[in-house]
Amino acid sequence: EDQVTQSPEALRLQEGESSSLNCSYTVSGLRGLFWYRQDPGKGPEFLFTLYSAGEEKEKERLKATLTKKESFLHITAPKPEDSATYLCAVRDDKIIFGKGTRLHILP
Amino acid sequence: ETGVTQSPTHLIKTRGQQVTLRCSSQSGHNTVSWYQQALGQGPQFIFQYYREEENGRGNFPPRFSGLQFPNYSSELNVNALELDDSALYLCASSPSFQDYGYTFGSGTRLTVV
Repeated sequence: EDQVTQSPEALRLQEGESSSLNCSYTVSGLRGLFWYRQDPGKGPEFLFTLYSAGEEKEKERLKATLTKKESFLHITAPKPEDSATYLCAVRDDKIIFGKGTRLHILP
Repeated sequence: ETGVTQSPTHLIKTRGQQVTLRCSSQSGHNTVSWYQQALGQGPQFIFQYYREEENGRGNFPPRFSGLQFPNYSSELNVNALELDDSALYLCASSPSFQDYGYTFGSGTRLTVV
């Protein structure tokens, strides 16, 4: 069965304290892995798409990487405005989301 | 560029009733998909439409149905509402079904009582 598991479920960091979020997946034929950011009461905001192992993408303080079994979202020197839920999704013949990681950055 | 708009923002329905949720795609986007997001969970894929035809469906019963119109706006219809249907319903659009840089709307919060 296709699955997406994100860890940790929740993470509290001090401002400036770098860390990584994990997304492990099991799909029969990966056709893309996606990272989204979701603020409370809003729809997910697209961050990155990764298609093949070894691929990396960056945007401001965020960097996403992909291996054959997992993806990491690295957050460097986070700020309070980076607080949100980060969602990972994979596509084979449909799109499967993980439950997300709730990130809270303390000032 | 107007983004994806959904209506209504909030809705309360009684068990057994029927509901229609609406979505206006971002300009130039011909693909729309719908998701159900329960509290504390990730979005679950309901179905997708490309140029007015359904081209993908998740594990949802037939009482969940949809339409896409020639202007690429879309509707999600749910019949015989159940308490477990209470959730945030999200619509997302994309320039093509092969391009997964989806733009999401802010959702419709449905409460079934």
